[in-house]
Amino acid sequence: EAGVAQSPRYKIIEKRQSVAFWCNPISGHATLYWYQQILGQGPKLLIQFQNNGVVDDSQLPKDRFSAERLKGVDSTLKIQPAKLEDSAVYLCASRRDGNTNYGYTFGSGTRLTVV
Amino acid sequence: QQQVKQSPQSLIVQKGGISIINCAYENTAFDYFPWYQQFPGKGPALLIAIRPDVSEKKEGRFTISFNKSAKQFSLHIMDSQPGDSATYFCAASAHFNKFYFGSGTKLNVKP
Repeated sequence: EAGVAQSPRYKIIEKRQSVAFWCNPISGHATLYWYQQILGQGPKLLIQFQNNGVVDDSQLPKDRFSAERLKGVDSTLKIQPAKLEDSAVYLCASRRDGNTNYGYTFGSGTRLTVV
Repeated sequence: QQQVKQSPQSLIVQKGGISIINCAYENTAFDYFPWYQQFPGKGPALLIAIRPDVSEKKEGRFTISFNKSAKQFSLHIMDSQPGDSATYFCAASAHFNKFYFGSGTKLNVKP
């Protein structure tokens, strides 16, 4: 089974620029998550999708962050404009349907540096 | 407000020793407590998990001890090996919805 694919692996941008991250979950996984992991901290959920619908985006800074999951498969996370404090690893994870943690798999993440 | 508190922040253990990482939570609605292992440049990977209806779960060298009344749980790594050197995160969720992660423990196992 292929894992969760993310790209790019690394991105360096200047503050106030925009950036987008891409995630391709494991085939058949209906639930998709975007997490932000700041250096030295645990992952923090930004947004959760069930198919192409948003389940939870309560911690997404909506003034600058946006995410979509068209057709219920791939997802993109965008930041516009970026701030220095957005420097972090952005992790995508996907999960099989149902009340089980089986198949809750993280990608390797995109490391964003804002200078 | 941090939902899950983890300690220590870092840990150095000799090869063959026991590594112990502790976590505490407040929300009594949490009903699932996984531990994740993360190597540099990789995403977290599920290591072992426990439900609150049992006090201990063991998988190989990894054991979770769970104290429901104290709202604490811990990860024990027996016979620690250099290959176990990684960052470990505890987490908690209610009904497999949002996962709240601890701040992580960086484990270094000395050969």
